[in-house]
Amino acid sequence: DSGVTQTPKHLITATGQRVTLRCSPRSGDLSVYWYQQSLDQGLQFLIQYYNGEERAKGNILERFSAQQFPDLHSELNLSSLELGDSALYFCASSVDGTPSETQYFGPGTRLTVL
Amino acid sequence: GESVGLHLPTLSVQEGDNSIINCAYSNSASDYFIWYKQESGKGPQFIIDIRSNMDKRQGQRVTVLLNKTVKHLSLQIAATQPGDSAVYFCAENIKSRPHGSSNTGKLIFGQGTTLQVKP
Repeated sequence: DSGVTQTPKHLITATGQRVTLRCSPRSGDLSVYWYQQSLDQGLQFLIQYYNGEERAKGNILERFSAQQFPDLHSELNLSSLELGDSALYFCASSVDGTPSETQYFGPGTRLTVL
Repeated sequence: GESVGLHLPTLSVQEGDNSIINCAYSNSASDYFIWYKQESGKGPQFIIDIRSNMDKRQGQRVTVLLNKTVKHLSLQIAATQPGDSAVYFCAENIKSRPHGSSNTGKLIFGQGTTLQVKP
């Protein structure tokens, strides 16, 4: 158990819908990362937050957004869902989000868009 | 462009043998590398990491080797066990500013190698 929690574990929804994925980092970690894992793209970095502020952005679609709250949990919002958004979404956390720092991953949320 | 790739998509070894999983990276500015293990239905689990100022680092039954000359990373698992069966990913941290320090922990992952351990 990495100490990072994610809910829900599974999510099934329809195209055009909006969902929210939730992540709680390890105790003491200030930085949260979101990654998408699909069969054809592998693990792709989406976005990073540190202490409530966005720190880095990857190939995150405009339909997707995220935020980190004062209690340091984070939410990833996916809207206007398409079939291709079906994937595993992982959250990771680290102490202060700097390079050369280990990121610990949560168990993921499996999103299925029908 | 930026890429981290694996030479072998699937590696099958006999229980008790040593395993070697390879990874090539393309960005010479990368200065931190990590190996993760991912079991079916679970998130990536940290195994071992290495910084670019090192060539080798050892953990419990695992060793990571870094060859910066040829931009190659390998993970060696000694006395491979059935519980080692999983997908293994290498990842690198790429500096966002080539001439300065980066303050981002963004990781670039390789495609993954499946390790199958035969009893």
